[in-house]
Amino acid sequence: NAGVMQNPRHLVRRRGQEARLRCSPMKGHSHVYWYRQLPEEGLKFMVYLQKENIIDESGMPKERFSAEFPKEGPSILRIQQVVRGDSAAYFCASSPTDGYTFGSGTRLTVV
Amino acid sequence: GENVEQHPSTLSVQEGDSAVIKCTYSDSASNYFPWYKQELGKGPQLIIDIRSNVGEKKDQRIAVTLNKTAKHFSLHITETQPEDSAVYFCAAGANYGQNFVFGPGTRLSVLP
Repeated sequence: NAGVMQNPRHLVRRRGQEARLRCSPMKGHSHVYWYRQLPEEGLKFMVYLQKENIIDESGMPKERFSAEFPKEGPSILRIQQVVRGDSAAYFCASSPTDGYTFGSGTRLTVV
Repeated sequence: GENVEQHPSTLSVQEGDSAVIKCTYSDSASNYFPWYKQELGKGPQLIIDIRSNVGEKKDQRIAVTLNKTAKHFSLHITETQPEDSAVYFCAAGANYGQNFVFGPGTRLSVLP
C-alpha cells in the first residue's frame, strides 16, 4: 500500500517559467490537500480538493497558482511565471477521514 | 478563523529526560488535534492525535493531553532518545473534510 506519492522531489525553475507539482494520494483516499512550507517555517494551507472539485482554496494566492484533481490521474499544483518568493517545499496530503498522510514533498527552487 | 500557537520554538534536552511541547488554539469548534514529526528533508509524519471528547491519550513514550476549557493541548515525550530529534508540529481542526491549522513548530534536540 504505497503512501502519498509526490513528484518530482526537487524542481528547479528559472524566474518566469512554469512549475507543475504532482501528487498521487493513497489508495482509497479521495481528499487531497496542498500545503506550502517556507524555510524554517510551519505549514500553510493552500487548497483542498476532491475529485474534480475544489472544496477550499482560501489559502491559494489569487494569481499564478492553480490546482486540480481530475477524475483520473494525480492532483496537480501549477505555478505560472514563478518568482524567487515561490521557492519552498510543497507538501501534499491525503485523507479518508481523520489525520492526514503527507507525501515527501517537492522542493521548488526558483533561480 | 483558527489560530494555533506553539511553544517553545526550540527545545534541547538530555537523552533520557522528558520533553513537553505546548499548543493553544482559538476556535472552540476545533475538535481534532494531531501532532506531526518532521525530520530533515522529509514530510511530516503523524505520531499521535486526540479528539475533543478525550482528555489524554498515550502511545508508548508519547502522550498528548487536552484541556478544552483552556483551549490548550500538550505533547509529552518521555525517556527521550537521539532519534526523537526533529521538528514537531501541532495542529487543530475539524475531524473530516477541513484543512488543519498548524502551529509554527518546535525544534527538539536530544543531546546524547
